Amino acid sequence: QSALTQPASVSGSPGQSITISCTGTSSDVGGYDYVSWYQQHPGKAPKLMIYDVSNRPSGVSNRFSGSKSGNTASLTISGLQAEDEADYYCTSYTSSSTWVFGGGTKLTVL
Amino acid sequence: EVQLVESGGGLVQPGGSLRLSCAASGFTFSNYWMHWVRQAPGKGLVWVSLIYSDGSSTSYADSVKGRFTISRDNAKNTLYLQMNSLRAEDTAVYYCARTYCNGATCFKAWGYWGQGTLVTVSS
Repeated sequence: QSALTQPASVSGSPGQSITISCTGTSSDVGGYDYVSWYQQHPGKAPKLMIYDVSNRPSGVSNRFSGSKSGNTASLTISGLQAEDEADYYCTSYTSSSTWVFGGGTKLTVL
Repeated sequence: EVQLVESGGGLVQPGGSLRLSCAASGFTFSNYWMHWVRQAPGKGLVWVSLIYSDGSSTSYADSVKGRFTISRDNAKNTLYLQMNSLRAEDTAVYYCARTYCNGATCFKAWGYWGQGTLVTVSS
């Protein structure tokens, strides 16, 4: 199972919006609405930000939103804040009853 | 408060074995699917394995299939990962993670993670 494709890095200024893409295949992202997104700060465990493509767990800011079109899912962060600077990973359930992650995207808040 | 505490990591030689444990508390462990996810130093997250709540079914990434075995003891609220025939590329921080649930509905995502335990495979 090949990893999902994410950009290695994205950046934005405080208050701006950014979008991180996550591209897979019809066997994972395109085949299921089971895409989730995780935020990871250095040295910390990942934190769930979005599940089932576009749903936010309680306690996650509504500045975070998710969507999907075909084989590509996206995470959008609006109103960028300094504390959003972190690594972001997408993951999808697959047709093999396994999960596959993206390679991760480093978000820099300028 | 949900807590997941991994242990058992350390330095092991190539070809060796190690058993990781994940002690769970703050929730009814026997009700939840549990996973192992790993992260090599400076690299991304990689899903490793899943076990159903009652232990009746398991699933593995191709990279560990036949070498790793996931298990659980619901009486002890503990998740395990038996790792055999270890390779240098298995060097990573290993996280246990609990399925995210909202009320009675559970999802294919991980809502709680442990702090991780480092496994280093080197001679």
